[in-house]
Amino acid sequence: ELKVEQNPLFLSMQEGKNYTIYCNYSTTSDRLYWYRQDPGKSLESLFVLLSNGAVKQEGRLMASLDTKARLSTLHITAAVHDLSATYFCAVDVDRDDKIIFGKGTRLHILP
Amino acid sequence: KAGVTQTPRYLIKTRGQQVTLSCSPISGHRSVSWYQQTPGQGLQFLFEYFSETQRNKGNFPGRFSGRQFSNSRSEMNVSTLELGDSALYLCASSPGVLGYEQYFGPGTRLTVT
Repeated sequence: ELKVEQNPLFLSMQEGKNYTIYCNYSTTSDRLYWYRQDPGKSLESLFVLLSNGAVKQEGRLMASLDTKARLSTLHITAAVHDLSATYFCAVDVDRDDKIIFGKGTRLHILP
Repeated sequence: KAGVTQTPRYLIKTRGQQVTLSCSPISGHRSVSWYQQTPGQGLQFLFEYFSETQRNKGNFPGRFSGRQFSNSRSEMNVSTLELGDSALYLCASSPGVLGYEQYFGPGTRLTVT
């Protein structure tokens, strides 16, 4: 069964701290996506990672992809309250072209 | 550039009815994908269209169907609605397939009573 597992599913952290969200997947893929969703809103694309070793950064967020380990990370540096949201990773399955989402990580940053 | 638009934004239907949702992609985008989001099942891929052809489909029953027009606008249809079809339906557009960034619309909130 194809699985995309995120952990943690819920994270409460203080402003100024660093933390990492993990996304493990069980299928072969070298296309992985990170999205942000605010409550009651749609999804916003954050990163598209297309190869092993890909690393992308935007502001306080940095995402990386290790296709051999089937692992992607989303690292938050010096968190600020505005980053509070739910973060999803999604994997584009090889030879199938279907996208499978993780359950999401609900991030709550305390001011 | 205008974003992805979805209509209607909210919809209430009763069991057994059918519904059609519409999605207008960003100008120039030829790929439209549809997703269902529910609290229990999370985000699930429904189908993707590119140049009026369905490229792939998720694990949904045949009651869920879609199409894409020559102007890349897409519709999805759900027939014989069930309570479990209550969800937020999101469409996303991208310039192409496989590895392109997707831009999501605001969604259609469907409630089935």
